[in-house]
Amino acid sequence: EDQVTQSPEALRLQEGESSSLNCSYTVSGLRGLFWYRQDPGKGPEFLFTLYSAGEEKEKERLKATLTKKESFLHITAPKPEDSATYLCALPRSGNTPLVFGKGTRLSVIA
Amino acid sequence: KAGVTQTPRYLIKTRGQQVTLSCSPISGHRSVSWYQQTPGQGLQFLFEYFSETQRNKGNFPGRFSGRQFSNSRSEMNVSTLELGDSALYLCASGQRDMNTEAFFGQGTRLTVV
Repeated sequence: EDQVTQSPEALRLQEGESSSLNCSYTVSGLRGLFWYRQDPGKGPEFLFTLYSAGEEKEKERLKATLTKKESFLHITAPKPEDSATYLCALPRSGNTPLVFGKGTRLSVIA
Repeated sequence: KAGVTQTPRYLIKTRGQQVTLSCSPISGHRSVSWYQQTPGQGLQFLFEYFSETQRNKGNFPGRFSGRQFSNSRSEMNVSTLELGDSALYLCASGQRDMNTEAFFGQGTRLTVV
């Protein structure tokens, strides 16, 4: 069974303090990995798709990377508006279209 | 291009009642899936529809049902509501299947009292 584990559960950063969020996964055959951002009480917002080990995607202060066992979401010089829960997900696991991790709740303090 | 629209945004229902939630996917998307999100359990898969056919169903009781219409709009219904059904219900839209990106609506916050 495909599984996704995210760490840490919560992360508190000072504005400008760069860090990384981890998403480790076990999958029978990697078909891609998605990153989403979710604000409280709202639906997840799509950020990135990564399909193969070594692939990197960037968007503003965020950069997602992928290895054969894990993905990282690097946040460079974060701002308070980057505060959100970040979710990673695997596509099409058995009968489940998306398998999500529990997320990392990021708080960026001014 | 309009995003995924879920209605209503908020609902308060009493135990034992039933509720219907609606989801209009992105234009051209034929795949819709539904998820329940609670603080303790995270995002849990409910149903998946493609071209009016239910492709898959998650591990939820029969009180949870859904359907998809010919215009790809989807509804989910929960009968005999329980307190534990209080959650954020999310709908995701995709072009064909979920091997490509899925885009979510804002969700419906259901509170059962």
